Amino acid sequence: DQQVKQNSPSLSVQEGRISILNCDYTNSMFDYFLWYKKYPAEGPTFLISISSIKDKNEDGRFTVFLNKSAKHLSLHIVPSQPGDSAVYFCAASGLGANSKLTFGKGITLSVRP
Amino acid sequence: DAGVTQSPTHLIKTRGQHVTLRCSPISGHKSVSWYQQVLGQGPQFIFQYYEKEERGRGNFPDRFSARQFPNYSSELNVNALLLGDSALYLCASSRETGIWGYTFGSGTRLTVV
Repeated sequence: DQQVKQNSPSLSVQEGRISILNCDYTNSMFDYFLWYKKYPAEGPTFLISISSIKDKNEDGRFTVFLNKSAKHLSLHIVPSQPGDSAVYFCAASGLGANSKLTFGKGITLSVRP
Repeated sequence: DAGVTQSPTHLIKTRGQHVTLRCSPISGHKSVSWYQQVLGQGPQFIFQYYEKEERGRGNFPDRFSARQFPNYSSELNVNALLLGDSALYLCASSRETGIWGYTFGSGTRLTVV
């Protein structure tokens, strides 16, 4: 039973355009949502996060939006760059004893020059 | 500062054998977590340790065990290997438990033949 779902396995965008990566979750007990980026032969690298009490968090070219009523979050990358090409994982976590990360399957983003 | 170090980077084992994977956390990090990433899936939580005590366990069989040492390094042991144990095993460290600021290592690629 997947609690974090990334239903699109891949996304291809033109350099300079916006990339929108989507994620849905089913567990309403999640308190934090995170996006990780992963290159081949490397571990996941933290990108950006959002608390369940917020609906938007921005860090440079990366913005994460959270819609709690829809149990949906999205990562926007503007403008997209070829170096952004990687696998992006959406993850969710609770607090305290429930701080383990629950990951989605990941989305492969390809940014075309 | 060194990041999270995992060893070995790759190994091949035969079904039924035992394997030990090692992880050295970032200096000052007291919590270590282990994740299994099967091809095409997101990382799945196996264990979390803090101050040498198990703080969380995922839905894995008893063939999987782990421990944390006084220097906060950790070992993941898997007995009676199955073909399905073939995966990338990721270690993540954080300063405290309950805080989701995890830093991942590059992982150990285990192939069971």
